[in-house]
Amino acid sequence: DIVLTQSPDSLAVSLGERATINCKSSQSVLYSSNNKNYLAWYQQRPGQPPTLLISSASTRESGVPDRFSGSGSGTDFTLTISSLQAEDVAVYYCHQYYSTSQYTFGQGTRLEIK
Amino acid sequence: EVLLVESGGGLIQPGGSLRLSCAASGLTVSSNYMAWVRQAPGKGLQWVSLISAGGTSYYADSVKGRFTVSRNSSKNTLHLQMNSLRAEDTAVYYCARRRAGLPFESWGQGTPVTVSS
Repeated sequence: DIVLTQSPDSLAVSLGERATINCKSSQSVLYSSNNKNYLAWYQQRPGQPPTLLISSASTRESGVPDRFSGSGSGTDFTLTISSLQAEDVAVYYCHQYYSTSQYTFGQGTRLEIK
Repeated sequence: EVLLVESGGGLIQPGGSLRLSCAASGLTVSSNYMAWVRQAPGKGLQWVSLISAGGTSYYADSVKGRFTVSRNSSKNTLHLQMNSLRAEDTAVYYCARRRAGLPFESWGQGTPVTVSS
C-alpha cells in the first residue's frame, strides 16, 4: 500500500499568517500517461464530512478560496494557506487515488488559531 | 446537484451483521466509481471499499471477506453488507463518489456504526 505521512500532526498559526502542511508519499503518485499527480487535499470541520479542496496536487476546486494552494510532485506535496482565517480551523488530510485498489489518506493535520 | 444520503447504521453486537445504504440523487450510481470511507471516533479517514462503473469491487485488507459492496441500479443506491463485525469496525461510514482521474469529490453526511456488547 502507498503510505502517506503528513507533517506536522498539529499546527497553530496566527490569523492572517501562513500555514503549511506537508505530505510525503511512500511511492510516486505521478501518473505517467497524463503527467498528473493523483494527490488530493481535504478539509474536515468537526462533525462534517470531508470537503475536497485540491485535486491533482495543485488544482483548486470550484468555490475554494484562492488562499488555499497545493504544490509538489512525485512523492512530496504541500498544502499552503496564505493568510489564515478563523473558518480555516479544521483537520486537513492528503489522499492518494493513484492506487485504484488501495486508496489511502494521510493521518491528518489539526490546524488551530494561535 | 449531487446528494448522497447514508442510512442503516446503528448499534450491533460483535459478530453481527449490518447493511448500509447510500441513496444517490444528481448522479447515476452505476455510471460512477462509488466508495465507502469510514472514520473511527477521533481518528482519521480510512477507505473501506469501492465499486467501479464496470462493477469491479475492491476492499481494504481489514474488511476483505467480511464486507460486500453492491449497487441497485433501479433504486440508484449503493450498499455495504457488513458481516462478522468487530469492535474496530466502529466508525462513521461515508458514501463517496469519484470519477476517473479524480479523487472522491462528493460525500454523504455519514451513518454511525457502533459494534459493542
